[in-house]
Amino acid sequence: ETGVTQSPTHLIKTRGQQVTLRCSSQSGHNTVSWYQQALGQGPQFIFQYYREEENGRGNFPPRFSGLQFPNYSSELNVNALELDDSALYLCASSLGAGFLQETQYFGPGTRLLVL
Amino acid sequence: KNEVEQSPQNLTAQEGEFITINCSYSVGISALHWLQQHPGGGIVSLFMLSSGKKKHGRLIATINIQEKHSSLHITASHPRDSAVYICAVESRGGSARQLTFGSGTQLTVLP
Repeated sequence: ETGVTQSPTHLIKTRGQQVTLRCSSQSGHNTVSWYQQALGQGPQFIFQYYREEENGRGNFPPRFSGLQFPNYSSELNVNALELDDSALYLCASSLGAGFLQETQYFGPGTRLLVL
Repeated sequence: KNEVEQSPQNLTAQEGEFITINCSYSVGISALHWLQQHPGGGIVSLFMLSSGKKKHGRLIATINIQEKHSSLHITASHPRDSAVYICAVESRGGSARQLTFGSGTQLTVLP
């Protein structure tokens, strides 16, 4: 148990739709990162939020966006879904400001299938 | 070429065997993480290290910064160790810390 939860656990959408995935971090964790993990591959960094501001982004298009809220919850929004967006989406939280070497605590993930 | 390479991709061992999983990386890093992912997706952080060696129970992680190489060892392996083991390197782009992951090593320990 990492204390990080994600919802929903599974989701099926069709191409062109929009989706919102949610993550609830451990209380006090100011940093949340989101990752996409395609089947059989390692996770890829999407973006990171620190105290409600995006402070880093991987190689993902603008249709991937996020929000972080003061209550340590966050959202990943994906617009105009494509078939290749089918993946496991993981969030991970940590205590610090994103520039410290700290353990990240991962949620169980949301498995998204785009048809 | 991937920035983080793991070997082997798949590993099958008998219970009790000593296991080594290797990770090589090509970028400058501030830390290296070893993670364990069970079927269903949940990821658990095993180690974070930037030099030397760390030990936790039957697990040992080492890193050689000069050679850009890390190893994860499991002593007296057990079927419950069966999982995907992922190496991830931590780098910093501006103020954001980013993890770049290897593709993982699928370990199966047979009773």
